Amino acid sequence: GAGVSQSPRYKVTKRGQDVALRCDPISGHVSLYWYRQALGQGPEFLTYFNYEAQQDKSGLPNDRFSAERPEGSISTLTIQRTEQRDSAMYRCASSPTPLAGGYNEQFFGPGTRLTVL
Amino acid sequence: AQKVTQAQTEISVVEKEDVTLDCVYETRDTTYYLFWYKQPPSGELVFLIRRNSFDEQNEISGRYSWNFQKSTSSFNFTITASQVVDSAVYFCALLNTGNQFYFGTGTSLTVIP
Repeated sequence: GAGVSQSPRYKVTKRGQDVALRCDPISGHVSLYWYRQALGQGPEFLTYFNYEAQQDKSGLPNDRFSAERPEGSISTLTIQRTEQRDSAMYRCASSPTPLAGGYNEQFFGPGTRLTVL
Repeated sequence: AQKVTQAQTEISVVEKEDVTLDCVYETRDTTYYLFWYKQPPSGELVFLIRRNSFDEQNEISGRYSWNFQKSTSSFNFTITASQVVDSAVYFCALLNTGNQFYFGTGTSLTVIP
């Protein structure tokens, strides 16, 4: 596809369950970012990858959150033992090169709306 | 510490009025990048502009203009002759040298016809 895609678009789960959120970046994009956006707030940085290497995971809230990008393309954000406070929109973005390297923008996906009951 | 503040939570203007959205940032990095994004009701995030810390030239793109002032750590966004389609939440963001993005809390703009 032409843009960043994410699946599922909506996920409702019960507290304590694990969830896996998928991001399919634009083909060939080097960098991939994960964000969390709570209602009425701006996106909050979680982690990012260049190729398959996770460059920074300082934004992950705790060790229940993990992300991988094993082949440098599709990425999965996993939340274990979900809690109600994890409910939010999870957004993925990709860019052709690392952002600070000079390219203008990152392209955002539509997001996955996670609701933990 | 890195921080982006958008003090205006909500703004309403009548169509054709000009409106300025404020953004103040904090960073200790000497090299950094500032962005504005638009989030319309449909929810996607649309890139508007990027500025690097060494380029303080103001920019105009159609009805949009940006005023970057390092002396006051501000990167304000003005929409001239606002239109109903401008109604959205606008986010200012800072990218530091560690490739970490910091977004403000957003300003919700409503343009009344």
